[in-house]
Amino acid sequence: EDQVTQSPEALRLQEGESSSLNCSYTVSGLRGLFWYRQDPGKGPEFLFTLYSAGEEKEKERLKATLTKKESFLHITAPKPEDSATYLCAVQGSGANSKLTFGKGITLSVRP
Amino acid sequence: KAGVTQTPRYLIKTRGQQVTLSCSPISGHRSVSWYQQTPGQGLQFLFEYFSETQRNKGNFPGRFSGRQFSNSRSEMNVSTLELGDSALYLCASRGAGAYEQYFGPGTRLTVT
Repeated sequence: EDQVTQSPEALRLQEGESSSLNCSYTVSGLRGLFWYRQDPGKGPEFLFTLYSAGEEKEKERLKATLTKKESFLHITAPKPEDSATYLCAVQGSGANSKLTFGKGITLSVRP
Repeated sequence: KAGVTQTPRYLIKTRGQQVTLSCSPISGHRSVSWYQQTPGQGLQFLFEYFSETQRNKGNFPGRFSGRQFSNSRSEMNVSTLELGDSALYLCASRGAGAYEQYFGPGTRLTVT
């Protein structure tokens, strides 16, 4: 069964203090690893898809990287508006594979 | 392009009642998935529909069911509601040949 573990559960940063969020996964044949951002009371917002080890994607202050066992979401010089819960999910290549999500990392950025 | 829409946004029901939630996917998307989100369990997969056929199902009791119409709109039904069914129910749609899913705002269901 596919599994996703995210750490830490919560992270508090000062504005401008860069850091990384970790997503460890086990999956039978990776089709894709996904990062989402979720604000309180809203649905998850799609950020990135990574398909193979070594791949990187960037969007504003966010950069996602992928290895065979982990993905990192690097946040450079965060701002208070980056405060949200960040979710990681994987989809395997097995028959009828579904998206499996981690529990998420709640990020708070203080001004 | 309009995003995924879900109705209603909020619901309060009593134990034993049943409820129907609705989801309209992004135009052109034929795959619709449903998820339950709770603070303790996170996001858990309920089922996926594609072209009116259930393609995949999560580990939920038979009280949870769904269907998809020819216009790709989907509904999910929960019968004999229990207190533990209180959650945010999220719908997501996916385009042909793509793996990333796009989520709606969710329906917040409270069972009293």
